[in-house]
Amino acid sequence: GQQVMQIPQYQHVQEGEDFTTYCNSSTTLSNIQWYKQRPGGHPVFLIQLVKSGEVKKQKRLTFQFGEAKKNSSLHITATQTTDVGTYFCAANFGNEKLTFGTGTRLTIIP
Amino acid sequence: DTEVTQTPKHLVMGMTNKKSLKCEQHMGHRAMYWYKQKAKKPPELMFVYSYEKLSINESVPSRFSPECPNSSLLNLHLHALQPEDSALYLCASSQVLTRSTDTQYFGPGTRLTVL
Repeated sequence: GQQVMQIPQYQHVQEGEDFTTYCNSSTTLSNIQWYKQRPGGHPVFLIQLVKSGEVKKQKRLTFQFGEAKKNSSLHITATQTTDVGTYFCAANFGNEKLTFGTGTRLTIIP
Repeated sequence: DTEVTQTPKHLVMGMTNKKSLKCEQHMGHRAMYWYKQKAKKPPELMFVYSYEKLSINESVPSRFSPECPNSSLLNLHLHALQPEDSALYLCASSQVLTRSTDTQYFGPGTRLTVL
């Protein structure tokens, strides 16, 4: 089936350090979305990437979509305690469904 | 208003019980979704409704029965569940159901425990 691999599974960083999570697919994607889920919360939409090589920024967050539209990354600069949570990519393979990656759980050491 | 509401927040039920989960949105969205999320796992799609008609059923067991009474409401009827069905059940909505997928807005979920 169509799957999206996401790494790393866990990331512990010192507050102020950077953080990156990666998603990879063996199949070309139509688009990819990123969601954040706080502990005990529900997924909240962050961004959607559609174009090959697209880069979008939201304050300290930078999202990239690969040239081949098979991979994507989320980079957070200078992490803060409010960044704690699990970050999911969610891929669209050209159908009506989103396929979620396995998620990266980010914890911050104050 | 970008809110999706779900009731109840928590539900404990026995294997012989019948219960229902409810979801509501007032954003005028015409696509609504049910997901199941086990602890430390990503959401897994169960059902998708488009314009109040069932569009996608991800081979979900018949003990889960979805219903979309109108464009704002989505129910999930539960009957004869198993303990392994214990999970967070998330409802989501999007403007329409398309092949390129829209932003999905998630509700807070119902945390279900089956005893």
